[in-house]
Amino acid sequence: DGGITQSPKYLFRKEGQNVTLSCEQNLNHDAMYWYRQDPGQGLRLIYYSQIVNDFQKGDIAEGYSVSREKKESFPLTVTSAQKNPTAFYLCASRLQADTEAFFGQGTRLTVV
Amino acid sequence: GEDVEQSLFLSVREGDSSVINCTYTDSSSTYLYWYKQEPGAGLQLLTYIFSNMDMKQDQRLTVLLNKKDKHLSLRIADTQTGDSAIYFCAETPRGGSQGNLIFGKGTKLSVKP
Repeated sequence: DGGITQSPKYLFRKEGQNVTLSCEQNLNHDAMYWYRQDPGQGLRLIYYSQIVNDFQKGDIAEGYSVSREKKESFPLTVTSAQKNPTAFYLCASRLQADTEAFFGQGTRLTVV
Repeated sequence: GEDVEQSLFLSVREGDSSVINCTYTDSSSTYLYWYKQEPGAGLQLLTYIFSNMDMKQDQRLTVLLNKKDKHLSLRIADTQTGDSAIYFCAETPRGGSQGNLIFGKGTKLSVKP
């Protein structure tokens, strides 16, 4: 079955550590996105990539990094520079502009 | 600027109709979407409307688009407790700075038995 998969579902991070969230899609989509969701804040765009080996910052990119070495994969690293990383992270992909976005099931990151 | 506005909360009784409203800013958006998010899950596409339409009906869902006022609404008929979720509208402006996909903050629908 085609789809978009995020892992892990839950992630705990100690302060000062970097962690990487996985996002994989087998939909042959060109564009991929990372959003952060906090209660009452809706979806805030962290990074997006419209093609392999290229990505752009969204509204809240500070403290995060991404790579897009393969079309199927768009991992997000939450670095120690991100001061308040506890949130629900959503990955999405689209075939191209003007098409619907498909979402993963999310990763809940908690700093302990 | 690019912004999509929605009210944050809506509460209805089971069996009533729910109407969730959204205003968007970019008249170049070709498609407008409604997504549903259940607790702890990702977003699922509910329905969408092409910008040259003013209404689309899909079973219990009716989408109305007023392009002149840049107003989009989602009506859910005979609302059930399983409809309790957060509903997001999204636009796809051409040349947008966010990869052409902009979401509202979401409307939390609570359905009381």
